[in-house]
Amino acid sequence: DSGVTQTPKHLITATGQRVTLRCSPRSGDLSVYWYQQSLDQGLQFLIQYYNGEERAKGNILERFSAQQFPDLHSELNLSSLELGDSALYFCASSANRFGTGVADTQYFGPGTRLTVL
Amino acid sequence: AQSVTQPDIHITVSEGASLELRCNYSYGATPYLFWYVQSPGQGLQLLLKYFSGDTLVQGIKGFEAEFKRSQSSFNLRKPSVHWSDAAEYFCAVAPGGGADGLTFGKGTHLIIQP
Repeated sequence: DSGVTQTPKHLITATGQRVTLRCSPRSGDLSVYWYQQSLDQGLQFLIQYYNGEERAKGNILERFSAQQFPDLHSELNLSSLELGDSALYFCASSANRFGTGVADTQYFGPGTRLTVL
Repeated sequence: AQSVTQPDIHITVSEGASLELRCNYSYGATPYLFWYVQSPGQGLQLLLKYFSGDTLVQGIKGFEAEFKRSQSSFNLRKPSVHWSDAAEYFCAVAPGGGADGLTFGKGTHLIIQP
């Protein structure tokens, strides 16, 4: 158990709909990352938040957005869903010691499997 | 931009035999390198990481990896595999400096033969 929790575990929805995925980081971690894992694209970094602020963006679609709340949990919002958005979505967290120039270890949650029908 | 290549999509190894999974990276500066393992239906578990210092790093479950800057490689090894090692293995690189979205390779699927 990494200490990162994600809900829900599974989500089935229809094209055009909007869903929200939730992530709670490990206790004390300030950074949250979102990743998408699909058969054709593999594991892709979507976005990173640090202490409530967006820190880095990867291959995140404009239809997708995220935020990190004062209690440090994060939500990933996916809208106007398409069949191709079906994937496993992972959240990860790290302590992220800024100023050291060192990458921190990311601990991954169990993922949310999204199926768009 | 950084990239990671895992040349082997599938590898089959007999139980008890040694294992080496290959990983090559492309990154301009000193890379921060990771190996993760994903069992079926599970999340990603960190096996080991390289940040600096000794180029041979030890991880969990008896795995080790060697960083070779001249070859841009970070290969994962295990002297004797167990059936429970069957899983998907991912190599990843991070840019560091606080903006640390990982770039993953496509993964290597490890099959263990009895």
